[in-house]
Amino acid sequence: AQSVAQPEDQVKVAEGNPLTVKCTYSVSGNPYLFWYVQYPNRGLQFLLKYITGDNLVKGSYGFEAEFNKSQTSFHLKKPSALVSDSALYFCAVRDMNTDKLIFGTGTRLQVFP
Amino acid sequence: DTGVSQDPRHKITKRGQNVTFRCDPISEHNRLYWYRQTLGQGPEFLTYFQNEAQLEKSRLLSDRFSAERPKGSFSTLEIQRTEQGDSAMYLCASSSDRVGELFFGEGSRLTVL
Repeated sequence: AQSVAQPEDQVKVAEGNPLTVKCTYSVSGNPYLFWYVQYPNRGLQFLLKYITGDNLVKGSYGFEAEFNKSQTSFHLKKPSALVSDSALYFCAVRDMNTDKLIFGTGTRLQVFP
Repeated sequence: DTGVSQDPRHKITKRGQNVTFRCDPISEHNRLYWYRQTLGQGPEFLTYFQNEAQLEKSRLLSDRFSAERPKGSFSTLEIQRTEQGDSAMYLCASSSDRVGELFFGEGSRLTVL
C-alpha cells in the first residue's frame, strides 16, 4: 500500500534561517508526491508536486522540495523562513490504483522572530 | 472566484440530527473527493467520484454517511443520525486528471453536541 511518513510532529526555526520539513514515502511503482500547507480553520493549499523530471522541485511562496529515490524521501525546504510560514504542512502521495491522495500526519512549523 | 466552494462553512447540530454538506468543484474537473479531518490530524479519505460515478468508499464511511454527485457537477455529503464522533472538518477537493494535484475547498466544520 502507498503511504507517507512525517517523522516530526513539530519543527521550530528562527526567522531568516533555512527550514526543512521531512517526508518519506513507500510506494509500488513511480511516486507522485505532493506538499500542502494548512492555516488554522482553512482548507489545504497546494505548494508543489513531483511527478517526474528534475529531483529539485520549486513551488509556491519560495518553497522547494528534493526528491531522493535512494532514500525514498521528499523533504520540503525553504532557504529563509518567514514568521508567516508558520502553519501545518502535509506530505501526500497519489495512489495510482485508487486515484486518491494519501496524507501524512502533518508537521507543525513554527517560525519565531 | 473559480475555486472549490463548500457550504456551509460551519454547522452545529444536536446528536441524532441529519446534516448535509454541499461541494461545488472547479467547473472543468471531473474528479471529486471527500475527506475528513479531525483536529491535529491529516485528512482521511472518505469517498471519490469520477463524473457522477462513485468509484470508491472508505471503510470510514459507515452506512450513516451517503454521498452523491447526481449530474457530475456538485456533490452532497449527508450524515444521518449524527454522533459526537462525527465532529470534524469535512473537506472537498477536485482534480482534472489522475496525476495532478487536488484542489481543496475551505471545508465544512461540523460540531455535534
